[in-house]
Formats: sequence, C-alpha cells, structure tokens
Amino acid sequence: DTAVSQTPKYLVTQMGNDKSIKCEQNLGHDTMYWYKQDSKKFLKIMFSYNNKELIINETVPNRFSPKSPDKAHLNLHINSLELGDSAVYFCASSQGGTGQTGYTFGSGTRLTVV
Amino acid sequence: RKEVEQDPGPFNVPEGATVAFNCTYSNSASQSFFWYRQDCRKEPKLLMSVYSSGNEDGRFTAQLNRASQYISLLIRDSKLSDSATYLCVVKDNTNAGKSTFGDGTTLTVKP
Repeated sequence: DTAVSQTPKYLVTQMGNDKSIKCEQNLGHDTMYWYKQDSKKFLKIMFSYNNKELIINETVPNRFSPKSPDKAHLNLHINSLELGDSAVYFCASSQGGTGQTGYTFGSGTRLTVV
Repeated sequence: RKEVEQDPGPFNVPEGATVAFNCTYSNSASQSFFWYRQDCRKEPKLLMSVYSSGNEDGRFTAQLNRASQYISLLIRDSKLSDSATYLCVVKDNTNAGKSTFGDGTTLTVKP
C-alpha cells in the first residue's frame, strides 16, 4: 500500500494552461506539504497544511493555490503555467508539524512546461 | 548565507571506505535535525534523525553540535548501494515546524 501517493507522475503541458496535482496519504498524518525540486535539485518548501489549515506559505506566486479538503489530501492547482514552473513537485506528510518527526514523501510529479 | 549548507561534493570513494558529510545551519532556533537520502529520480527518504547525544544505526552515525550549529553523518564500510545524494535537514519548531533542506552531497561508491 502506497503511503503517500501523487498523481499524475508525469505532466507535460503548454504555457498558459492550468493544471492540478493531487496528493493523498494513508498514514493518518495530520500535516502535509508541497515541495518543489528544480533542475539543480534544490528542494524548497512551498506550503504546509495541518489538519486542513494552512500553516506555512512560502514566497510562491499566487498562481499556485493549494487546497486541503481533509487531512489526508492536499492538492496543488497551478494557473497560467510558465516555463519556470518546470520542476519535480513532491508531496509529503508527517505526524505533527513540529518535533523529531521526519517526512514521508510521495514519488513526485515531474512537470514540464513547453 | 544559506540557511543550511553542506559539503559541495561529489564524493567518490571505493567500497569499504569510511566517508563523512558535514552540514552547518544558521538558524539557532532549529530544534530537530535529520539526514535524508535521495536516489536519482526518486523521492527523498528519511535515513535517520539526529539527536543531541549522537546516534548510530548500523554503519551510519549522526552527530549534532548545537554550539557550533553543525551536523555530521559518518558512513562506515561503504557499499555500492550507498551511492545517492544525502540531504541535511533542519526543522524550526518555532515556525510551524518548517524544514529546510540542504542542497545535498552526492556520494558515489565504486567497486
């Protein structure tokens, strides 16, 4: 059973389009995250939700809008896609945002904007 | 200055070698520390937490020096399967548990 699952795994789309990435975790964790890993492999946090409440919102263009319908799901919608949005987007979850608890990551969504 | 800095690497070592990675962090409010491993085109996976007293898991030993804001990972008796990128992570529990990842150090273990 996959602990953190993301769909789609690959996404190729044209500039200007709107796309969504979905994430679900079956670990019973209460905190979920979106991270972006660019072509240089740097992992940067974008958003964090705790029990459906947004708790971390880094400097991300407002074209990116996360939505958490319940604590097991965290989706990412991206409007007006740009070339620079091409990256791997990782969803992750943890039990409790603080403390000595690590993350479980999904396998990533490789987004290519052409 | 980056919040989390790691040895630039890459490290190329023979099987059986001992290799150490270092990591420094700038935020003194950081309270939790981890090492992750990321294989090529895969997601990061938690390797081990890092505790103040230092901790060991098989061939892996992690150390934390809060005074110097420094974390290390020692791998003994390297295996080919240890080849990966190792990511140092610090978590600020005063900021909703925001975790900052280092840029990673690439290790290649050769036969």
